[in-house]
Amino acid sequence: DAGITQSPRHKVTETGTPVTLRCHQTENHRYMYWYRQDPGHGLRLIHYSYGVKDTDKGEVSDGYSVSRSKTEDFLLTLESATSSQTSVYFCAISESGFYGGEETQYFGPGTRLLVL
Amino acid sequence: GDSVTQMEGPVTLSEEAFLTINCTYTATGYPSLFWYVQYPGEGLQLLLKATKADDKGSNKGFEATYRKETTSFHLEKGSVQVSDSAVYFCALKGAGSYQLTFGKGTKLSVIP
Repeated sequence: DAGITQSPRHKVTETGTPVTLRCHQTENHRYMYWYRQDPGHGLRLIHYSYGVKDTDKGEVSDGYSVSRSKTEDFLLTLESATSSQTSVYFCAISESGFYGGEETQYFGPGTRLLVL
Repeated sequence: GDSVTQMEGPVTLSEEAFLTINCTYTATGYPSLFWYVQYPGEGLQLLLKATKADDKGSNKGFEATYRKETTSFHLEKGSVQVSDSAVYFCALKGAGSYQLTFGKGTKLSVIP
């Protein structure tokens, strides 16, 4: 199993509060991703990173920001949480990204977030 | 844009039955194709993949063949077990893209 941990694993918060989710990897992979999983939607990409301090937006980035100050850590911040951000959030990593079309992404265990 | 369509569940089968979960895709160029499995309460695990036309991915008795002519990547298993109960996701990654595009998932329940 890829060495990926996410914290916290479960969180309940109130609308309007900031929330930060952490993804930590021990594989030294260059690429990291944040997805959200919602019923009827599969998984959708929020943001990704292709190196330290190098990040870009995915399909559903509104209301989210990310930071990556170290290779091993990728943080996802909900600047002001809303009920529509209630979801399960998955971090993923891959060794290469853009040029490796076949590159496999490995997923963490997920964080279940409830915004009241 | 890229998209993946997979059969909607839930699917309920008896143990030792034959499984097929259909997956078709729309993409430009030559994407790589994946099946991921999610067991209850867990993250996604790669089940198998194929990177070019006519490739067959296989793992744990599951198989899928990359069919470019029908833009399909159907998942099959000859004899399912109770332990195969999970949600299965078909996904593609286009050449020149960072993003995995997922289908909505198919929940499989296998009963003894």
